Amino acid sequence: AQTVTQSQPEMSVQEAETVTLSCTYDTSESDYYLFWYKQPPSRQMILVIRQEAYKQQNATENRFSVNFQKAAKSFSLKISDSQLGDAAMYFCAYRSAYRANSKLTFGKGITLSVRP
Amino acid sequence: EPEVTQTPSHQVTQMGQEVILRCVPISNHLYFYWYRQILGQKVEFLVSFYNNEISEKSEIFDDQFSVERPDGSNFTLKIRSTKLEDSAMYFCASSGGQGAGNTIYFGEGSWLTVV
Repeated sequence: AQTVTQSQPEMSVQEAETVTLSCTYDTSESDYYLFWYKQPPSRQMILVIRQEAYKQQNATENRFSVNFQKAAKSFSLKISDSQLGDAAMYFCAYRSAYRANSKLTFGKGITLSVRP
Repeated sequence: EPEVTQTPSHQVTQMGQEVILRCVPISNHLYFYWYRQILGQKVEFLVSFYNNEISEKSEIFDDQFSVERPDGSNFTLKIRSTKLEDSAMYFCASSGGQGAGNTIYFGEGSWLTVV
């Protein structure tokens, strides 16, 4: 079974600074997807960024980028130029690519606070 | 942008009562899911559904839970006899399929409080 580990329960960043959120995972599969979801106080789950395991290039979405290290099974999220609206819980998630409707497996999440 | 919609946003129910949570997945999606998040904990998979059948379910999804797609647009989660520990946020989600459908999109959640 796949597992996702987010070992940092909380992090804090100064507005406009850069922060990196860590995530590791364990799987025996070679083809999969990795995601970061943001959950603001409204508790909605919002997709931040996704990475296909077969792609060597790290995904980027505006101020959000990932550092995907397949051999190390590491998938960290970097938020540049942090904004107050980035304050939220962030979940790392794994999804197998072997079935079209495979489930997401989530980590425990990390609470990010942004200091003005 | 298409989105998954859920109703109700919040429901309070007495222990032992039946609850139905409703969802309208994104219209061209094929695969539907329910997840649960107990306050302060991680998001947990309950069940996936495709072609009017359950594809996969977790240990949490026991006999008190059922899912149904009663028509072409709605997808429901029924909890037959609610317990205090069923209090949680329930997320409906959908995805399109292989390749382009690798992302699962979530609704805003239904917050269930069992008293």
